Amino acid sequence: DSGVTQTPKHLITATGQRVTLRCSPRSGDLSVYWYQQSLDQGLQFLIQYYNGEERAKGNILERFSAQQFPDLHSELNLSSLELGDSALYFCASSSGFPNQPQHFGDGTRLSIL
Amino acid sequence: AQTVTQSQPEMSVQEAETVTLSCTYDTSESDYYLFWYKQPPSRQMILVIRQEAYKQQNATENRFSVNFQKAAKSFSLKISDSQLGDAAMYFCAYTSGTYKYIFGTGTRLKVLA
Repeated sequence: DSGVTQTPKHLITATGQRVTLRCSPRSGDLSVYWYQQSLDQGLQFLIQYYNGEERAKGNILERFSAQQFPDLHSELNLSSLELGDSALYFCASSSGFPNQPQHFGDGTRLSIL
Repeated sequence: AQTVTQSQPEMSVQEAETVTLSCTYDTSESDYYLFWYKQPPSRQMILVIRQEAYKQQNATENRFSVNFQKAAKSFSLKISDSQLGDAAMYFCAYTSGTYKYIFGTGTRLKVLA
């Protein structure tokens, strides 16, 4: 158990819809990262938050947005969903220092019908 | 831009034998960090080993060790005494002071009994 909690585990929705993925970081971790993993692909870094502030942004679409709340949990919002958005979305947390490993949640599997 | 390349989509190893997974990266940074993550069929992401670029000594964690060649920008993972439980996707990852994380496309390791 990594200590990182992601909900929901599975999400099925239709094109054009909007969904929110939630992540609670490991106790004591200030930083949250979001990744997208399409079928049999590597991980694409989307965005990182540190103590409520956006710290780094990767290949995140404009239809996607995220935030980290004062209690340090984070939400990833995906809107105007397309078939290609079907993927496994991972949240990870760490202390925020780059030499420290990330601890990954179990992921949310998003299926767009 | 930084890149991470894993040129071996799939590797096989006999149980109890040794296997080496390759990873090369490209960066102009002098201070950075490298990681190997394991993703078993359960899809969890598990940290295997990490290496700080400023450290010349290769990192070792039990049966897992790296061969870090900074000048060649190479970061290979050696798994000794391979076990059936080592079967997984292995991802090489890079980060630096920009806090962006870059993952390779992965190598699928099969362990033959």
